[in-house]
Amino acid sequence: DGGITQSPKYLFRKEGQNVTLSCEQNLNHDAMYWYRQDPGQGLRLIYYSQIVNDFQKGDIAEGYSVSREKKESFPLTVTSAQKNPTAFYLCASSMKARQTQYFGPGTRLLVL
Amino acid sequence: AQSVSQHNHHVILSEAASLELGCNYSYGGTVNLFWYVQYPGQHLQLLLKYFSGDPLVKGIKGFEAEFIKSKFSFNLRKPSVQWSDTAEYFCALEGSGAGSYQLTFGKGTKLSVIP
Repeated sequence: DGGITQSPKYLFRKEGQNVTLSCEQNLNHDAMYWYRQDPGQGLRLIYYSQIVNDFQKGDIAEGYSVSREKKESFPLTVTSAQKNPTAFYLCASSMKARQTQYFGPGTRLLVL
Repeated sequence: AQSVSQHNHHVILSEAASLELGCNYSYGGTVNLFWYVQYPGQHLQLLLKYFSGDPLVKGIKGFEAEFIKSKFSFNLRKPSVQWSDTAEYFCALEGSGAGSYQLTFGKGTKLSVIP
């Protein structure tokens, strides 16, 4: 069953805490992306990676970090520096950069 | 800089009514254009895409969109909506410039179809 999985579905963060969102794909896609979705704001790009061991900042990278050690995995860490982390986070992948992106089911992050 | 504007925040239609959702973009070069749909409780899915060629593109579930370069528009249409079309629709742009690997999304249009 091919696709993109994100875990957990819901995540709670305490003040000052770093949390990591998981994104895994078994589509053999080179490129992976992280977006943040806020009500009425659409999706905004946080980070993207065209290939293993390489990634670039998107429009709203401040307070976030990523790694791309394996082709299948692109975890996103929401650091304590992100002052407004409550949002729906979507991971996507594409065969190569500039090809159609396919999205995972998302993780909703809430702050306690 | 590239941007996408979706004109309507929320559209309410009765079943069998025709649908047109507006999308305008700003970008100085060649573009790839997309419509994505997010059904309640489901993840974002690709509805249709335009890369080049015929400016009238057909997607899944009877949707189509027309790329009008002179108007910088990529409006989504469906002749007769169903209750199951209730969802949020996002228009997105990918520019062709060097290093331009970013999808820029509009803010979305919520469609509510009344049975």
